[in-house]
Amino acid sequence: ETGVTQTPRHLVMGMTNKKSLKCEQHLGHNAMYWYKQSAKKPLELMFVYSLEERVENNSVPSRFSPECPNSSHLFLHLHTLQPEDSALYLCASSQGAQFSLSYNEQFFGPGTRLTVL
Amino acid sequence: GENVEQHPSTLSVQEGDSAVIKCTYSDSASNYFPWYKQELGKRPQLIIDIRSNVGEKKDQRIAVTLNKTAKHFSLHITETQPEDSAVYFCAAGGQNFVFGPGTRLSVLP
Repeated sequence: ETGVTQTPRHLVMGMTNKKSLKCEQHLGHNAMYWYKQSAKKPLELMFVYSLEERVENNSVPSRFSPECPNSSHLFLHLHTLQPEDSALYLCASSQGAQFSLSYNEQFFGPGTRLTVL
Repeated sequence: GENVEQHPSTLSVQEGDSAVIKCTYSDSASNYFPWYKQELGKRPQLIIDIRSNVGEKKDQRIAVTLNKTAKHFSLHITETQPEDSAVYFCAAGGQNFVFGPGTRLSVLP
């Protein structure tokens, strides 16, 4: 157990559904990340939150909506997804940007395997 | 933005042999270069990292070298074992980093 948990572990949804992925870290970190991992583009960064503020959004479609209510929790809200969005969604955390000269190890969660029908 | 390339995409070695994976990056401002290992069905985990003020770092059977002038860095695994079989990702950046496409290493008994 690395201290980063994700739920659910598996999710099957239709293109008209709305669902949310949840990530929780118990490491006292200040930065959290969402990655998409698929055969086409392994470990593709989607969103970065530092001190609960979004600092990076790598041109992700608006059908993915992140939320970071506090430094321990991160959500990814999904709506009207496409079949090509099927992938493993990984959450990660690190100590964060307040240590601006510190290059921090990212600890990954186990991922949510998403299938869009 | 940063662009990271990684070669080879697949690598098979005999147990006990060495394995080398090479990465190049594009952004000269990148100053942190981690390597992650992802075993089948598991999450990526950091195995070694190197910062831009260091040219080489070693940890038991694994070592990483960095050439900032040429913008490339490499992972070296010596005396490979079957449990080294996994996908290895290099990355480059700073606080945040961009991952390479990965190398699937198979160590044959």
